[in-house]
Amino acid sequence: DQQVKQNSPSLSVQEGRISILNCDYTNSMFDYFLWYKKYPAEGPTFLISISSIKDKNEDGRFTVFLNKSAKHLSLHIVPSQPGDSAVYFCAGLDSSGSRLTFGEGTQLTVNP
Amino acid sequence: DSGVTQTPKHLITATGQRVTLRCSPRSGDLSVYWYQQSLDQGLQFLIQYYNGEERAKGNILERFSAQQFPDLHSELNLSSLELGDSALYFCASSASTEGSLHFGNGTRLTVT
Repeated sequence: DQQVKQNSPSLSVQEGRISILNCDYTNSMFDYFLWYKKYPAEGPTFLISISSIKDKNEDGRFTVFLNKSAKHLSLHIVPSQPGDSAVYFCAGLDSSGSRLTFGEGTQLTVNP
Repeated sequence: DSGVTQTPKHLITATGQRVTLRCSPRSGDLSVYWYQQSLDQGLQFLIQYYNGEERAKGNILERFSAQQFPDLHSELNLSSLELGDSALYFCASSASTEGSLHFGNGTRLTVT
């Protein structure tokens, strides 16, 4: 049962352009949605989150949008930088605050 | 540096054996989580401990067990190992209830 799904295994963009990473979910009970970034040989690093009662959260170059009716969220990175090249995971947090359910990840490559 | 320490970094063992993975959480964090990442898959939640007590359980096999000690470090015990147990095992800690976990760099387990 894949409750959180990232349909694009990879994405390639040019430096300075916008990167849009997408995520779909099936569980309506998630209270928060989070994005994590992972470099090789390191653990995931928390990037940005959004409460299920909001539709947008912005932090510097990173903005997360939540469309509850479509059960879809997206992460926008603008402008993209080569250092943003990493695997990005979206995750949903259940109401207990204990369990994060992760998607499979999207490999973002930002070309100079 | 997330402040979460996992040892060992790599572990190679044979089928049928038992191993112990160790995690020291970030200073002050009472919650410890264990996740498994198999090849080309997202992170699967195994178990959470809070201040020494089991808080939530995910898709953890009966052959696997964990505990959190009074000093808050945690150990994940994997027994009767099978080839399919080969994976990256991540530990994470948290002080919040909004999912912003701090991950260690993982232990790569290879079962031969």
